[in-house]
Amino acid sequence: DTAVSQTPKYLVTQMGNDKSIKCEQNLGHDTMYWYKQDSKKFLKIMFSYNNKELIINETVPNRFSPKSPDKAHLNLHINSLELGDSAVYFCASSQDRGTSRDTQYFGPGTRLTVL
Amino acid sequence: GNSVTQMEGPVTLSEEAFLTINCTYTATGYPSLFWYVQYPGEGLQLLLKATKADDKGSNKGFEATYRKETTSFHLEKGSVQVSDSAVYFCALSESGNQFYFGTGTSLTVIP
Repeated sequence: DTAVSQTPKYLVTQMGNDKSIKCEQNLGHDTMYWYKQDSKKFLKIMFSYNNKELIINETVPNRFSPKSPDKAHLNLHINSLELGDSAVYFCASSQDRGTSRDTQYFGPGTRLTVL
Repeated sequence: GNSVTQMEGPVTLSEEAFLTINCTYTATGYPSLFWYVQYPGEGLQLLLKATKADDKGSNKGFEATYRKETTSFHLEKGSVQVSDSAVYFCALSESGNQFYFGTGTSLTVIP
């Protein structure tokens, strides 16, 4: 009964390729997120969607494009991969918007390695 | 703006030692405060939270008290175990759904 799932768990690819990471949550949450965690464990928010609408878009290269086909899914597509994109990417979800008491639930992460 | 500052690691303790990981925050309003834990190779899991001043969050022997006067939310555990080895993140949420995470503190507990 995985709450937030991501695929794939590991992704190894060459520079310049295009890849996608998928995320699904079965918690009925309205809001989903993508985070990037670097090798020093620093966690940086990239995007947030609420009911399929983009609400947070941090300073991220436009090679990164999130897509939310429905409120249970938030996929991340990355074009022209670069070495610096190597990191662990986490999807998360939370219920509601406009309250400061939301708890975020995280997926297991996707370790992306760009060669 | 909002931010979270937590003590830098890594922290290494012997089993049964007392643990404190400091966390202070900056916020413009009245945030909720969280501690998340990340075990090796896994995603972040909520450890505990507090939603208003003087609240104490607790779980699995860990505690943290929301101190508005010192803008702090320090994590404590009286007796750590090897299984507590992980990275701990302090976080706050104030408006909307944006979370602000600290930089994480790596804890290693040795037998």
